Amino acid sequence: AQKITQTQPGMFVQEKEAVTLDCTYDTSDQSYGLFWYKQPSSGEMIFLIYQGSYDEQNATEGRYSLNFQKARKSANLVISASQLGDSAMYFCAMRDWALTGGGNKLTFGTGTQLKVEL
Amino acid sequence: EAQVTQNPRYLITVTGKKLTVTCSQNMNHEYMSWYRQDPGLGLRQIYYSMNVEVTDKGDVPEGYKVSRKEKRNFPLILESPSPNQTSLYFCASSLSGAEQYFGPGTRLTVT
Repeated sequence: AQKITQTQPGMFVQEKEAVTLDCTYDTSDQSYGLFWYKQPSSGEMIFLIYQGSYDEQNATEGRYSLNFQKARKSANLVISASQLGDSAMYFCAMRDWALTGGGNKLTFGTGTQLKVEL
Repeated sequence: EAQVTQNPRYLITVTGKKLTVTCSQNMNHEYMSWYRQDPGLGLRQIYYSMNVEVTDKGDVPEGYKVSRKEKRNFPLILESPSPNQTSLYFCASSLSGAEQYFGPGTRLTVT
């Protein structure tokens, strides 16, 4: 069974600093995808970044980068130059391409609440 | 604009009163899912659909029904809601193997 673990329930970071949100995953399959979503207090789920298990390079999207360490089964999100608007809940999720059922099901972690301070 | 819409956004109801949460997408996606979000548990899949008339259970299907009569719509039905179904519900759609697009969420309270 797939499992996503986010061990940091809450994090604080100062504005303009970088922050790393941890995510480890467990799967026995070779083909999978890893996602990060942001959920602000308004509640919507905002897609941030995606990493495929066969991608050689770490994914980057603007101030977001994904530190993918396949052997350690970790997919940490790095936010550079934090802004007040980055304060939100962040979820790591995995899609197992080898899973025949589940209709593109994402398995989510429990989330990390990030607070950016002045 | 590509989007997933859900209605209602907020609903307070009483135990046992049947309700339907609608979900519609305008991207011609085959895959649609329903998730519920509870504190400390993340999001869990309730039901999914791989195309019209093809639906199946996710991880937490008890107490819910779905239907997929048209490609764009995927309503979630609670025949007899109970307080343990108080939650934040998300509908999502995707193409095969791609990023999922989430609706804005429906906050349901069952008293």
